[in-house]
Amino acid sequence: GESVGLHLPTLSVQEGDNSIINCAYSNSASDYFIWYKQESGKGPQFIIDIRSNMDKRQGQRVTVLLNKTVKHLSLQIAATQPGDSAVYFCAENNRIRDDKIIFGKGTRLHILP
Amino acid sequence: DAGVTQSPTHLIKTRGQQVTLRCSPKSGHDTVSWYQQALGQGPQFIFQYYEEEERQRGNFPDRFSGHQFPNYSSELNVNALLLGDSALYLCASSLDRGHDEQYFGPGTRLTVT
Repeated sequence: GESVGLHLPTLSVQEGDNSIINCAYSNSASDYFIWYKQESGKGPQFIIDIRSNMDKRQGQRVTVLLNKTVKHLSLQIAATQPGDSAVYFCAENNRIRDDKIIFGKGTRLHILP
Repeated sequence: DAGVTQSPTHLIKTRGQQVTLRCSPKSGHDTVSWYQQALGQGPQFIFQYYEEEERQRGNFPDRFSGHQFPNYSSELNVNALLLGDSALYLCASSLDRGHDEQYFGPGTRLTVT
């Protein structure tokens, strides 16, 4: 079936270092990918998205890389800050087929002082 | 401009009871999607409402039903509650059937005892 998974459930990063959160997806028909950040007690917050016709997209302090050959997605956060502590989800969607967004299980990012 | 709002914040119900959760979308949005998020898991798509109709549905039983009103607000109803229905229920709104970025509300924490 369709699934979006993550390699690591928890990631600890020193404050100021760069963070890299990885994600594997299984549905090769997915054409749209999103990274969400979820802080405790809040709903997921959109960070950045990328369409399947791209392999890299940059935002403010964040970069998403997409490798369709191996069905791999990553989120890079530059100069990690304490406010980046949260659970990060990758999600996929096949926009031609439907509007369902399929979420992975999440990676908790822990910032070390 | 208020974002997505949900009510109530928390709810405790007994097995077999019925529950109704409410969502008001972000101003200007016409599409509402509902998700169930079990503890430690990613959100799972329940269904999406657009133009007062259910447009997409995930793998949830008929005990889960919904409604969208002319003002685009939405309700999620769950009948014959099971212990396994305990979760955070998230509402997300978007414009144009979800082809735009989805904005999530803070969720309703449902506990079934």
